[in-house]
Amino acid sequence: DAGITQSPRHKVTETGTPVTLRCHQTENHRYMYWYRQDPGHGLRLIHYSYGVKDTDKGEVSDGYSVSRSKTEDFLLTLESATSSQTSVYFCAISESKRGLSINTGELFFGEGSRLTVL
Amino acid sequence: DAKTTQPTSMDCAEGRAANLPCNHSTISGNEYVYWYRQIHSQGPQYIIHGLKNNETNEMASLIITEDRKSSTLILPHATLRDTAVYYCIAGHANQGGKLIFGQGTELSVKP
Repeated sequence: DAGITQSPRHKVTETGTPVTLRCHQTENHRYMYWYRQDPGHGLRLIHYSYGVKDTDKGEVSDGYSVSRSKTEDFLLTLESATSSQTSVYFCAISESKRGLSINTGELFFGEGSRLTVL
Repeated sequence: DAKTTQPTSMDCAEGRAANLPCNHSTISGNEYVYWYRQIHSQGPQYIIHGLKNNETNEMASLIITEDRKSSTLILPHATLRDTAVYYCIAGHANQGGKLIFGQGTELSVKP
């Protein structure tokens, strides 16, 4: 299994408070992603990173920011949490093929972080 | 990325082959077909992917039609532990791996 650790695994917070979720990998993979999963919507990409300090937006990036200061860590921040951000958040990683910049599309997912915003 | 269409749910008897279909009629020439599955409350798990040729690994086989407009994931001997939601995704491998997951097929393997 890929070495991916998400923290916290469960969090309950109140509307308007800042929240940071952490994804830590031990695989030295180049690419990292944050998805959210909600009933009726499936998995939706929030932000992704293709290297240290290189990030880009996904499908549902509003209200979220990310940072990647080290290869192994990808942080997802909700500056002011809202009830609509109650969800299960998954981090994923992937590697390039044969040392090239081509991403194989084989994602390895973490176990998820369940966030409840009251 | 091309849109994919999958049945909402399917049943399969334990020990039998599970054949999960996927339509991707608008797939472009350089888009791969990926299959993932998600067992309840766990993170999704990569199964297999292919471009044109049929592919097989220890988990499953992927059959892609010659026109690439549809594919079938085959689990040769389904077990109860294969009960999961299966996602078929068409995507570019060289665009940061931004795979767009749809609703998937909920496969129930029954004794």
